[in-house]
Amino acid sequence: DVKVTQSSRYLVKRTGEKVFLECVQDMDHENMFWYRQDPGLGLRLIYFSYDVKMKEKGDIPEGYSVSREKKERFSLILESASTNQTSMYLCASKQGVNQPQHFGDGTRLSIL
Amino acid sequence: DAKTTQPPSMDCAEGRAANLPCNHSTISGNEYVYWYRQIHSQGPQYIIHGLKNNETNEMASLIITEDRKSSTLILPHATLRDTAVYYCIVRTGANNLFFGTGTRLTVIP
Repeated sequence: DVKVTQSSRYLVKRTGEKVFLECVQDMDHENMFWYRQDPGLGLRLIYFSYDVKMKEKGDIPEGYSVSREKKERFSLILESASTNQTSMYLCASKQGVNQPQHFGDGTRLSIL
Repeated sequence: DAKTTQPPSMDCAEGRAANLPCNHSTISGNEYVYWYRQIHSQGPQYIIHGLKNNETNEMASLIITEDRKSSTLILPHATLRDTAVYYCIVRTGANNLFFGTGTRLTVIP
C-alpha cells in the first residue's frame, strides 16, 4: 500500500513564524502535491512537484514556498505565518499521468 | 474539466450494497473517473478509478455507462466504517483535483 506520511497531525504556531510542514512518501512516486482544505472551499492546490528540485505553482501559492531535495520528501514552508493560513494541509503523491493521487492524513495548522 | 453531480446524502443498511451515483454528462474522451472518500478529520482516501471499462478492486466496484456520462460506485457489503463523504472526480492527468460537495453516506446498523 502507498504510504504518505505527514510529520504532524496538529500544529499551533504564532503569527510571523516560519513554519515547515513535512511530507514523505514510500512508493518512489515522481509527483507530489500540497493542498489546503477549508470548509466551503474544498481542496485547493498550493504547489506541486514532478521531480526532485522541480516545482510548479498551483492555484494559491502566495505566502508559501516548497522544497524537494529528495524524491521521497516534499516540504511546504510558510515564510511568515498569518492567521488566514489556519487550515488543514494535505500532502499527496502519485506516479504516472492518469494514476490516482494518494493522500496523507493531513496537518491541522492553527496560526494564533 | 467535466463537472460532476452527486446526491448530497444517502443512507445504507449495514451489510447491504451501497450504490453511489455520479453524473458527468460533459466528460471528454480522455478524462478518467476517480472516486475518493473522506472520513471526518482524515485525508481523502483513494478508492478506485477508470476510463471506460468497469473496474473492481478490494474496496469497491466502478460501473461506467457505455456513453460515459454517468458512473456508480458500489461498496458490496457496507460497514459502519464506510460512513464518509464520497467524491466523484473527472479529470485528465489528475494533477489538480477538485473535490465538490460529494455524497455523505451514512451506514445504519
